Amino acid sequence: SDVLTQPPSVSVAPGKTATITCGRNNIGPHTVHWYQQKPGQAPVVVIYYDSDRPSGIPERFSGSNSGNTATLTITRVEAGDEADYYCQVWDSRGDHPVFGGGTKVTVL
Amino acid sequence: QVRLVQSGSEVKKPGSSVKVSCKASGGTFSSYGLTWVRQAPGQGLEWMGRIIPTNVITNYAQRFQGRVTISADESTSAVYMELSSLRPEDTAVYFCARELRDDSGGFYYGFWGQGTLVTVSS
Repeated sequence: SDVLTQPPSVSVAPGKTATITCGRNNIGPHTVHWYQQKPGQAPVVVIYYDSDRPSGIPERFSGSNSGNTATLTITRVEAGDEADYYCQVWDSRGDHPVFGGGTKVTVL
Repeated sequence: QVRLVQSGSEVKKPGSSVKVSCKASGGTFSSYGLTWVRQAPGQGLEWMGRIIPTNVITNYAQRFQGRVTISADESTSAVYMELSSLRPEDTAVYFCARELRDDSGGFYYGFWGQGTLVTVSS
């Protein structure tokens, strides 16, 4: 299946670590990208190529990808990290992107 | 720096069509694919289709086949998305985004337009 499965929501206290998963059978060989979207704004890529950070994205954001799960980790969570997060891979057979359903991160 | 600026909000009647524009500045327009993604209220991101302006190759999501047309005007560095036979469930924010190639032969999106709200209501 080409569906990317994300938990609908993750809650985390300030200063703690948020872990957002993106599941798919054998996702490991696929390159995974992550986007942050705040209300009323366009998505912004926070991780590309599984674990690379664009300039301007804090080091607190990191990514990994292995087996059946890709993971976005946000350490020392801040109030400003509250947003929806989407994972994305490329479907080479259909020549189109596949997005996960999104995870709403709430900072308690 | 690449910048994508989209046209303004639209209100349409069911059964009509809407055409949203996305004007690019900075970077090389023709060589990169431009994609359209929509987001219904409270929902996730849904890919609609893409175009590579330089060779006018288009690729549409199956669920929009026959209803969506993506075109490009290289002279103005603009891409257009036209959606026909509108229904209330097409109410959404429509985004354009420019592709960047990833290391698996696919693409991701480093640059996005600001989004265009299309409301379909009688």
